[in-house]
Amino acid sequence: DAGVIQSPRHEVTEMGQEVTLRCKPISGHDYLFWYRQTMMRGLELLIYFNNNVPIDDSGMPEDRFSAKMPNASFSTLKIQPSEPRDSAVYFCASSNRPLGLFFGSGTQLSVL
Amino acid sequence: GDSVTQMEGPVTLSEEAFLTINCTYTATGYPSLFWYVQYPGEGLQLLLKATKADDKGSNKGFEATYRKETTSFHLEKGSVQVSDSAVYFCALLPKSSGNTPLVFGKGTRLSVIA
Repeated sequence: DAGVIQSPRHEVTEMGQEVTLRCKPISGHDYLFWYRQTMMRGLELLIYFNNNVPIDDSGMPEDRFSAKMPNASFSTLKIQPSEPRDSAVYFCASSNRPLGLFFGSGTQLSVL
Repeated sequence: GDSVTQMEGPVTLSEEAFLTINCTYTATGYPSLFWYVQYPGEGLQLLLKATKADDKGSNKGFEATYRKETTSFHLEKGSVQVSDSAVYFCALLPKSSGNTPLVFGKGTRLSVIA
């Protein structure tokens, strides 16, 4: 089992650029979550999907953030335009609800 | 709403010391309870879980017992190693039939020194 796969592992970009983070969940999991982790705010839930449908996006900080899940094996988190305060580690996680969450290794985003 | 409270960190221990990280919860009904561990530069990993009262979860020498009476799920290890240095998160999964996600505590950083 390959686990949750995120790409890229590291992303450095300049303010104003578009950033796309990618996630492949574990096969058979019907929930997918996007989290953001910073020293100041800790672990924040941004959005989650069930069977490819967004259930709760109340954690998305503002309209610059968007997430999609076009099929059961792929999801993206997009930031457009990016700002320095978006610098953080972004995690994707998937679950088959009773078993708890399985996290990817994260994408370290630096916006200069 | 449902919530998890963990002891504030950081916690610094010498190798082979006994570890306790306190976790208490507030929830409707009987949630499932989890401990996750995050090693430096990595994502969170499930360490152990318990799904009903009096269950004991255990893994890698760590243990936690689901205490309904005290609404607690304290993490313990008898003899910590340097390799246990990480951030530990307590979490609950509500028993409701809805789509409610895991509720995480704020994490407790553990540093073990040789």
